[in-house]
Amino acid sequence: AQKITQTQPGMFVQEKEAVTLDCTYDTSDPSYGLFWYKQPSSGEMIFLIYQGSYDQQNATEGRYSLNFQKARKSANLVISASQLGDSAMYFCAMREDSSASKIIFGSGTRLSIRP
Amino acid sequence: GAVVSQHPSWVICKSGTSVKIECRSLDFQATTMFWYRQFPKQSLMLMATSNEGSKATYEQGVEKDKFLINHASLTLSTLTVTSAHPEDSSFYICSARSGVDIGETQYFGPGTRLLVL
Repeated sequence: AQKITQTQPGMFVQEKEAVTLDCTYDTSDPSYGLFWYKQPSSGEMIFLIYQGSYDQQNATEGRYSLNFQKARKSANLVISASQLGDSAMYFCAMREDSSASKIIFGSGTRLSIRP
Repeated sequence: GAVVSQHPSWVICKSGTSVKIECRSLDFQATTMFWYRQFPKQSLMLMATSNEGSKATYEQGVEKDKFLINHASLTLSTLTVTSAHPEDSSFYICSARSGVDIGETQYFGPGTRLLVL
């Protein structure tokens, strides 16, 4: 069974609009961490934001925020005021405490920002 | 954020040759390094996890005799693709982290594109 599910293969958004990228996860481990990474066409993986399973508040980093709904097992990424440079692949990822520190990735969402 | 480098960034080789890819953490000591491969338009698939000074742990389905991983120091890990074949052509990305906390950020190298002719 898939541990990380990203149901949006691709999205188009108008510049300056906010966008939400969906991510659901599956784990029975009470301790886990959720990550979002951005991969531009150059291929590098850029860390955006992290949410721990015990964190009480949603994580925020500049224009990025993570809408963490633990009961629903979702960790959506919200990008406010999108910019042309936000066009990239976005991957949701999870690390379980029991998994020897490895991160597993979802299938990704390709975000395209229209000028 | 921390910097992870990979070398080479591009490699083209003939079928049957071996290719070595280096991954270095430039400004931190990496207790754990990871190797991923990514096919076009697909996600990253973890190949193996290595801790400095010990043998790598390979994911199911990854041939350890084909993908040799050495993590000789806290700043260097190498992946050697032995007797490469066209189906090994892929984007190989290494990653490193310095701590063991669940929230410890994992930093990625820029990747190596391998094309086997």
